[in-house]
Amino acid sequence: KAGVTQTPRYLIKTRGQQVTLSCSPISGHRSVSWYQQTPGQGLQFLFEYFSETQRNKGNFPGRFSGRQFSNSRSEMNVSTLELGDSALYLCASSGGLAGGGGEQFFGPGTRLTVL
Amino acid sequence: GENVEQHPSTLSVQEGDSAVIKCTYSDSASNYFPWYKQELGKGPQLIIDIRSNVGEKKDQRIAVTLNKTAKHFSLHITETQPEDSAVYFCAASSGGTSYGKLTFGQGTILTVHP
Repeated sequence: KAGVTQTPRYLIKTRGQQVTLSCSPISGHRSVSWYQQTPGQGLQFLFEYFSETQRNKGNFPGRFSGRQFSNSRSEMNVSTLELGDSALYLCASSGGLAGGGGEQFFGPGTRLTVL
Repeated sequence: GENVEQHPSTLSVQEGDSAVIKCTYSDSASNYFPWYKQELGKGPQLIIDIRSNVGEKKDQRIAVTLNKTAKHFSLHITETQPEDSAVYFCAASSGGTSYGKLTFGQGTILTVHP
């Protein structure tokens, strides 16, 4: 079974631009979570989507948004990029069944650099 | 919200020794505690997890213990090998519809010297 895939793997943007990252979960998984990883703040939860609906949200500004499609693939968007948005963005998928499961499997991440 | 503290931040051991990493959590509603291993250039890899109805779980050289009363859980690696060198993260979740939201500790850099 193929793992979680994320595209692109690397991105370089300038301040003020916007960016869209993509995640394809493990086949059959319905939940996709996004995390930001930085040396200073560690791994921080951004949001989770389940069956095309945002089910949980972390403490990030509204510039960070996401969506999920009917095939469970997910995208996250960051608008008006700031230098501090430079990070590794990780996507994780799980079966997403409420009250059960819970194991999250991570992709390799997208390394975003904002200049 | 949930807060997870992880110690130590770095751990250096000789091959064959044991390594122990400890985490504490703040939210008594948390009931799912996974551990991840992250190697350079890769995403975190789930290595073991434990749920609140279990006190201990073991998988070959790796074991995790949970003390719900004290709100802490630990990762134990026995007979360490150089390939165990990586960054290890603990995490917590309150389960149910919140399974998709993990709160992570700050990570432990484990170095195993041959």
